[in-house]
Amino acid sequence: SYELTQPPSVSVSPGQTARITCSGDALPKQYAYWYQQKPGQAPVLVIYKDSERPSGIPERFSGSSSGTTVTLTISGVQAEDEADYYCQSADSSGTYEFGGGTKLTVL
Amino acid sequence: QVQLVQSGAEVKKPGASVKVSCKASGYTFTSYGISWVRQAPGQGLEWMGWISAYNGNTNYAQKLQGRVTMTTDTSTSTAYMELRSLRSDDTAVYYCARRGDSSGFDYWGQGTLVTVSS
Repeated sequence: SYELTQPPSVSVSPGQTARITCSGDALPKQYAYWYQQKPGQAPVLVIYKDSERPSGIPERFSGSSSGTTVTLTISGVQAEDEADYYCQSADSSGTYEFGGGTKLTVL
Repeated sequence: QVQLVQSGAEVKKPGASVKVSCKASGYTFTSYGISWVRQAPGQGLEWMGWISAYNGNTNYAQKLQGRVTMTTDTSTSTAYMELRSLRSDDTAVYYCARRGDSSGFDYWGQGTLVTVSS
């Protein structure tokens, strides 16, 4: 198995830009995915294939990749973006792993 | 619209088994896989494994090998996850999710709470 490392928490003020990182040795070779989870709800896919945005996800959500680190960027953060965010990747055999999650607080 | 509807909450004793169902609708069931993810209270997401609804091939997380079995019934577009020899640390919300080839887990069920307690 492999590990994906995320910061436990990120805090930003409304309207500012939030960046959540995810590091892992497999990331240069495999796609990364990002999920948003609000309390008591199922996760929602917000980014797939490193930087693609599913239909219905606001444009302020974007993803990027550089070496062993992928980044979820939320531009112009809104109060409704407060949630836990998880990165995910898979190895070549289809074994998946989630990062430990990052709690985004909107101040 | 795509929907995944899971079975209801379960309470089990240690050592027992649980079987959670996930009924899919709104898409061609055999064109996607179904993955299972669990979340213990106050904890992060844990991938359990996935099954191809096309051919039944499975890939389980190493820590659950030997205790988990995932199956599908294509006639009813339903996926199942059975976990055996339950322990207290199996208490969690269990989710099913649709798995695309490179599209991630794009639709999720509502979750099923499994409580293991004597």
